[in-house]
Amino acid sequence: SAVISQKPSRDICQRGTSLTIQCQVDSQVTMMFWYRQQPGQSLTLIATANQGSEATYESGFVIDKFPISRPNLTFSTLTVSNMSPEDSSIYLCSGLLAPSTDTQYFGPGTRLTVL
Amino acid sequence: DAKTTQPTSMDCAEGRAANLPCNHSTISGNEYVYWYRQIHSQGPQYIIHGLKNNETNEMASLIITEDRKSSTLILPHATLRDTAVYYCIAARTGGFKTIFGAGTRLFVKA
Repeated sequence: SAVISQKPSRDICQRGTSLTIQCQVDSQVTMMFWYRQQPGQSLTLIATANQGSEATYESGFVIDKFPISRPNLTFSTLTVSNMSPEDSSIYLCSGLLAPSTDTQYFGPGTRLTVL
Repeated sequence: DAKTTQPTSMDCAEGRAANLPCNHSTISGNEYVYWYRQIHSQGPQYIIHGLKNNETNEMASLIITEDRKSSTLILPHATLRDTAVYYCIAARTGGFKTIFGAGTRLFVKA
């Protein structure tokens, strides 16, 4: 199994600022993903974080708004840029554990409130 | 990935079996059926997955129909801690992304 931690666990930010969320895995994972979960809703995939290359974004999400880094097999960051109240949400990272890629593990999430 | 359809919510009495249905009529031959659950204020947790054979682990059993168009997740003895949103997902293995639907909100009542 894998344990995934996220920092910060929650934050309250002002409109127009940016926040970087960190995701750390205690094991090497083949793939990492970032999701957004708005209150009372299901998870929406933002992007796949690729090691050493640009992330692959889902429809409706762009790199300028959600830049992602993944410098190694156990760490990734998601930045929410130029925030507005509509960005208030829970942001979750997940990873597929190497060598098995059948099971996805999730972090506890980062609860973001934008005022 | 194939779309899945689940009931919005279900109730179950504590100690009884919880049977959560899922329809995936457009599932392709190389897609597995995965189940995850999300307890309030936590990240989703993997439960079980299968291709066409029934599967069982320490958490649950997965029953897949012969035509693979539907499946049922069974929690044999539900407890209050099993209250959560349960997601049924049809996806390929081998490092492919997981797309979540709306899920079923299971309430286990004392």
